[in-house]
Amino acid sequence: DAGVIQSPRHEVTEMGQEVTLRCKPISGHDYLFWYRQTMMRGLELLIYFNNNVPIDDSGMPEDRFSAKMPNASFSTLKIQPSEPRDSAVYFCASSLAGTLAYNEQFFGPGTRLTVL
Amino acid sequence: AQKVTQAQTEISVVEKEDVTLDCVYETRDTTYYLFWYKQPPSGELVFLIRRNSFDEQNEISGRYSWNFQKSTSSFNFTITASQVVDSAVYFCALSEAWNFNKFYFGSGTKLNVKP
Repeated sequence: DAGVIQSPRHEVTEMGQEVTLRCKPISGHDYLFWYRQTMMRGLELLIYFNNNVPIDDSGMPEDRFSAKMPNASFSTLKIQPSEPRDSAVYFCASSLAGTLAYNEQFFGPGTRLTVL
Repeated sequence: AQKVTQAQTEISVVEKEDVTLDCVYETRDTTYYLFWYKQPPSGELVFLIRRNSFDEQNEISGRYSWNFQKSTSSFNFTITASQVVDSAVYFCALSEAWNFNKFYFGSGTKLNVKP
């Protein structure tokens, strides 16, 4: 089975440019999460969706960040305009609620973003 | 306040040594969930184990074992007879029943296993 798919794997852009990160969750999973990993702050949850609806976006750092999930198999995280401090690895994860309340999250390979 | 503390930033061992990675958590919930993830050099996070607060049984899976102690709010991870392939960053995470999808990750422990 395919895992969580993220694209691109690496992105280098200049300050001020718009950046769009993409994620395809595991088929059938009803939760999708966006995380950011930096040396300074570790792994932070930015936002998560349940059945395509944003549930908790309290981790989104600023209005420059936005996330959408137009359907069950696709989500985007957009940064506009990007700044050097946005440089990080961005992970997408998905999980299935199922019969357990605490199912593990399955992570994608991450997108390494560098903003110059 | 940090909900998950992994005090060991980096550990180096020689192959075949046993190593324990510490995880201390903090929560006011009586129902919560604990996880360990492995992040190898390739970068992806790999799920290792989950445990709920009502299940204090220790678990063993091959060379891996976990020691959950509510009295000390700890969920430590031991690798027996370490191998070079165990080299990775290991993360402990906590989620609370009232918002179980929100994972709080520790800062990670980098394990270097030398041949």
